[in-house]
Amino acid sequence: EDQVTQSPEALRLQEGESSSLNCSYTVSGLRGLFWYRQDPGKGPEFLFTLYSAGEEKEKERLKATLTKKESFLHITAPKPEDSATYLCAVQAFSTGGYNKLIFGAGTRLAVHP
Amino acid sequence: EPEVTQTPSHQVTQMGQEVILRCVPISNHLYFYWYRQILGQKVEFLVSFYNNEISEKSEIFDDQFSVERPDGSNFTLKIRSTKLEDSAMYFCASSSTGDEQYFGPGTRLTVT
Repeated sequence: EDQVTQSPEALRLQEGESSSLNCSYTVSGLRGLFWYRQDPGKGPEFLFTLYSAGEEKEKERLKATLTKKESFLHITAPKPEDSATYLCAVQAFSTGGYNKLIFGAGTRLAVHP
Repeated sequence: EPEVTQTPSHQVTQMGQEVILRCVPISNHLYFYWYRQILGQKVEFLVSFYNNEISEKSEIFDDQFSVERPDGSNFTLKIRSTKLEDSAMYFCASSSTGDEQYFGPGTRLTVT
């Protein structure tokens, strides 16, 4: 069964304190791995797509990396506005190509001034 | 920047009533999805829709659920007879390629 596990469940950082969030996955043929940001009461906001091991993507203070078993979201010098829940999702190869996303439970990040 | 919109933002209904949740996907997108998130739980896939038909559905998406694209812009989710356990945030998403999916702000459904 395709599965996504995120750790830690919650993370508290001081402003400027860099850290990493982990997403480990088991999937029957990875089509893509996706990172989203979700603010309370809002829909997931797309951040990155990664397709193959070794791939990296960057956006402002965030960098996502991918290996064959896991992905990391690195946050460099975070600011309070980076506080949110970060969701990891995978998409498996299947017939049809209209693939559902399978989400992890997320990491709740709180950045304090 | 184009975005997915959903109405209403909050729907309160009584058990056994029918509800219709509405979505306007991004205009040039071809793939449409519904997900739900029960409070404090993971985002769960319900159904995907392409070329005017359901392409995949989850075990949650039973005979009480249906989807429709009644015109060129709207995409709806109908729950025929709501249950208490249907209370959740319902998210619509759309995609141009079937890869990156863009989510709407959600409809909070409360069944009493």
